[in-house]
Amino acid sequence: SQQGEEDPQALSIQEGENATMNCSYKTSINNLQWYRQNSGRGLVHLILIRSNEREKHSGRLRVTLDTSKKSSSLLITASRAADTASYFCATVTNTGTASKLTFGTGTRLQVTL
Amino acid sequence: DGGITQSPKYLFRKEGQNVTLSCEQNLNHDAMYWYRQDPGQGLRLIYYSQIVNDFQKGDIAEGYSVSREKKESFPLTVTSAQKNPTAFYLCASSPTGGDTGELFFGEGSRLTVL
Repeated sequence: SQQGEEDPQALSIQEGENATMNCSYKTSINNLQWYRQNSGRGLVHLILIRSNEREKHSGRLRVTLDTSKKSSSLLITASRAADTASYFCATVTNTGTASKLTFGTGTRLQVTL
Repeated sequence: DGGITQSPKYLFRKEGQNVTLSCEQNLNHDAMYWYRQDPGQGLRLIYYSQIVNDFQKGDIAEGYSVSREKKESFPLTVTSAQKNPTAFYLCASSPTGGDTGELFFGEGSRLTVL
């Protein structure tokens, strides 16, 4: 089942602009993660935010989490052509030896020169 | 250097044939996973394994089978019972005892049924 829904499905911006992607989910979570996927490749972990955190930064990435609204956003500042990829949110409802992540449908980001 | 290796990268199959996708990791992770990705649908969990000789069904296990005879290896067989097997298959692993559930992915295998 799909836990997360992402918005927008596709986003096209120019280099240097900021890109914002949103993710909504349905159930209580332990943490929420964002992954990046280049076309035809595997996913790469970008950043994680725990349920008791509201904002987190990593380089040009900023993630926010609103557990009352069951939503998260990923902001990429000063975008570059190399940021062109699909971005997925994934929620974790339990951790341990094996944690089942539930992925959203993704946002396709196109950054043009 | 450590990572997850999936093979083959591209695979073509005739209807009615079983195919096996390989996944090997040298990250010393206990947990391993198989996901299926279709266009516009994100990733869906097929099977996962927490430890050698143990595995559980995910959300879409019908038509698939797995084995976990070694810690490093978690092969996925797509059987003829899978009615729509054309997809991109991703293998992942996660660290033992981690409290985040972060996944490490292979580069994927694209299966096309002719």
